[in-house]
Amino acid sequence: GQNIDQPTEMTATEGAIVQINCTYQTSGFNGLFWYQQHAGEAPTFLSYNVLDGLEEKGRFSSFLSRSKGYSYLLLKELQMKDSASYLCAVKSGDYKLSFGAGTTVTVRA
Amino acid sequence: IAGITQAPTSQILAAGRRMTLRCTQDMRHNAMYWYRQDLGLGLRLIHYSNTAGTTGKGEVPDGYSVSRANTDDFPLTLASAVPSQTSVYFCASSARTGGSDTQYFGPGTRLTVL
Repeated sequence: GQNIDQPTEMTATEGAIVQINCTYQTSGFNGLFWYQQHAGEAPTFLSYNVLDGLEEKGRFSSFLSRSKGYSYLLLKELQMKDSASYLCAVKSGDYKLSFGAGTTVTVRA
Repeated sequence: IAGITQAPTSQILAAGRRMTLRCTQDMRHNAMYWYRQDLGLGLRLIHYSNTAGTTGKGEVPDGYSVSRANTDDFPLTLASAVPSQTSVYFCASSARTGGSDTQYFGPGTRLTVL
């Protein structure tokens, strides 16, 4: 099976930067996804990494190190609307997407 | 508007009753999935379908069944509901299975089994 770990909660101030770490152990690694989920809503896709390195998309960046089984999601210039849960998900094989329990980020004014 | 719809939005169900959660997508995606989300456990895959006419078991399939008669619909049935099936259920779809293929989620069904 998969073992995906990410912190339960993080708090940061509006305008600041927050880094959400995700470590994983898996067989047949085929990519890592980050999703954002606001309370009571569906998860929405943020980013995908399959090769080592940093992928930047506006205020959000995602990093992957396959040899270390490690990824992080970097949220810059935090806004109140960024308060949400962030889900790390590892793909193994063609279809199996295994999710971490999620990190709840609270942005304070 | 293209996307995934789920019905009902929420439901309270007596234990032992049969229940079907509906999922429809209009994106012509080949693959569809059912997950349950429980506090502290994250999303867990119940069943999936790579294409119409085929289905497969996920991580937690016991007590659930699915069918995929056509591309658009992927209903999830609880034959005899038990309280441990109280959860939020999300349907998802992707264009195909494969590494970079992104899964898109429906709005969810909140199910309470008493």
